[in-house]
Amino acid sequence: GNSVTQMEGPVTLSEEAFLTINCTYTATGYPSLFWYVQYPGEGLQLLLKATKADDKGSNKGFEATYRKETTSFHLEKGSVQVSDSAVYFCAWRGSARQLTFGSGTQLTVLP
Amino acid sequence: DTAVSQTPKYLVTQMGNDKSIKCEQNLGHDTMYWYKQDSKKFLKIMFSYNNKELIINETVPNRFSPKSPDKAHLNLHINSLELGDSAVYFCASSQDQYGTEAFFGQGTRLTVV
Repeated sequence: GNSVTQMEGPVTLSEEAFLTINCTYTATGYPSLFWYVQYPGEGLQLLLKATKADDKGSNKGFEATYRKETTSFHLEKGSVQVSDSAVYFCAWRGSARQLTFGSGTQLTVLP
Repeated sequence: DTAVSQTPKYLVTQMGNDKSIKCEQNLGHDTMYWYKQDSKKFLKIMFSYNNKELIINETVPNRFSPKSPDKAHLNLHINSLELGDSAVYFCASSQDQYGTEAFFGQGTRLTVV
């Protein structure tokens, strides 16, 4: 069936470290792919998205590239900050009429 | 302006009670959703309405009943609350049922004691 698998957390990094959170999907066709972020006590916010193969989504220093050949959409940031501490969700939307989310990855950035 | 707003933000209630959570969006979107987030942060779709019509109804106990009086509102009523209903419930909306991203409310933390 269609699904999203993302790297299990928690992930703890020091400030200015490089971040990668892996996400792979299983789907027929060409879904749209998303990263959402949930800061403590808040709802989910769209971080970035890509709607077709080879698209790169970017926002706030975060990037992810839609790789059809590896069915992946890994989230990266070159230098994380304490304020990036949050839960990150990979998601996809295909022909089904809903967003399907991964299990979430808790990121903690230490000063 | 708040795009997707839900009330209340916190709800503590006893087992067996009936409660409602309200959601409103001012984005002019056609489609609205309810998601449940458990203690491990896992998000699961519960319902979706498109222009007041139910289009997604996942395997949710029939104690949960959504109601959409118009396309800007989607309320969630829960009968006979159980301990396992404790979770954070998120309302969301998207342009249409095949649209791209969804916009989320701040969540309602429901605690059943």
